[in-house]
Amino acid sequence: AQSVTQLDSHVSVSEGTPVLLRCNYSSSYSPSLFWYVQHPNKGLQLLLKYTSAATLVKGINGFEAEFKKSETSFHLTKPSAHMSDAAEYFCVVSDRSSNTGKLIFGQGTTLQVKP
Amino acid sequence: KAGVTQTPRYLIKTRGQQVTLSCSPISGHRSVSWYQQTPGQGLQFLFEYFSETQRNKGNFPGRFSGRQFSNSRSEMNVSTLELGDSALYLCASNAGLAGGTDTQYFGPGTRLTVL
Repeated sequence: AQSVTQLDSHVSVSEGTPVLLRCNYSSSYSPSLFWYVQHPNKGLQLLLKYTSAATLVKGINGFEAEFKKSETSFHLTKPSAHMSDAAEYFCVVSDRSSNTGKLIFGQGTTLQVKP
Repeated sequence: KAGVTQTPRYLIKTRGQQVTLSCSPISGHRSVSWYQQTPGQGLQFLFEYFSETQRNKGNFPGRFSGRQFSNSRSEMNVSTLELGDSALYLCASNAGLAGGTDTQYFGPGTRLTVL
């Protein structure tokens, strides 16, 4: 079985300060891990994904995440927040060895960016 | 390349009615998945279709069904609508060849309101 826990439902930062969104996962199999972002009234956009190569993954818009197997974590970071980063962020896991694309989503973290 | 498109974008139905939602995947993609997004339950997997066959199914009642056509377009149907079916329904497409490592590309969603 697989599951994802996003440790914060809401994170508030000031523009220009670092962003940290925390995610822990549980998986019986080798996981693929993703971060998606959802802006209001929009669909989901992929920020980055980990599938088994480098444990430090760089994504779009300056985001990156590090896969830590020993801690079962996949935290999302960005050095400097921008107002346009305000959105809902989802940590997602799938079974890397599966032939299906079923995704298991975390409950989401709302990122607020203050001017 | 055009992205994933979903029609209609908004729907209002009454309890007991049925509804059909449509999804057109990215050209060349053979896998289509459907997800339900609600404030209480978050994002939950409904089912996945690949080459006109259901490849995986989530834990939803039989009132929820889907199909995929030879051009990879997919429809989902919900019969005997209940108030709790009010949600954003998201469709995702991917090439369908790499299972759990595939990147899922999401459409903007269909907002269903059941009165």
